[in-house]
Amino acid sequence: DTAVSQTPKYLVTQMGNDKSIKCEQNLGHDTMYWYKQDSKKFLKIMFSYNNKELIINETVPNRFSPKSPDKAHLNLHINSLELGDSAVYFCASSQGGLSYEQYFGPGTRLTVT
Amino acid sequence: SQQGEEDPQALSIQEGENATMNCSYKTSINNLQWYRQNSGRGLVHLILIRSNEREKHSGRLRVTLDTSKKSSSLLITASRAADTASYFCATDVAGTALIFGKGTTLSVSS
Repeated sequence: DTAVSQTPKYLVTQMGNDKSIKCEQNLGHDTMYWYKQDSKKFLKIMFSYNNKELIINETVPNRFSPKSPDKAHLNLHINSLELGDSAVYFCASSQGGLSYEQYFGPGTRLTVT
Repeated sequence: SQQGEEDPQALSIQEGENATMNCSYKTSINNLQWYRQNSGRGLVHLILIRSNEREKHSGRLRVTLDTSKKSSSLLITASRAADTASYFCATDVAGTALIFGKGTTLSVSS
């Protein structure tokens, strides 16, 4: 069974479009995260949710909006996509926050043309 | 701003050799973690070392932490081709977020 899954794996879209990435974890963890990895492999936290509540919201354009319908799901919706949004987006989860290991999903490669 | 920085950026070795990569960080931490990322995949947790620990082992992996120098090292002994990946350190800064370095790309040739 996949611990942290993301859909889709690849997403190619045009500037100005709105898209969503879905994430689900079956580990029973209470904290979930979204990271963005750029072309130089630099990984940066975007959001963190604990029990469906937002606890970290780094400097991210408000075109990005996370939504957590329940503890096992954290989706990422992006409005008005821009070229600079092209990156790999990773979802992760952990039990108990930052003092515990994080389990990462396989990533979603977003290409904006 | 970036907290952790790995060194070297890239490392090429032969199978059977040891690989050492270093991580330096700027501010006090609660813990430091090492992750591996194979090409096109998600990150996989390797080891977590807390600020009051100096050394940890897991199989062929050995991690050290020197809080006075604000640095950590990851040693992979008897490297295998399957160890080819990028390795990242991540620091927990004041419980706010996990901050990742830029990574070391390790290539192990047979």
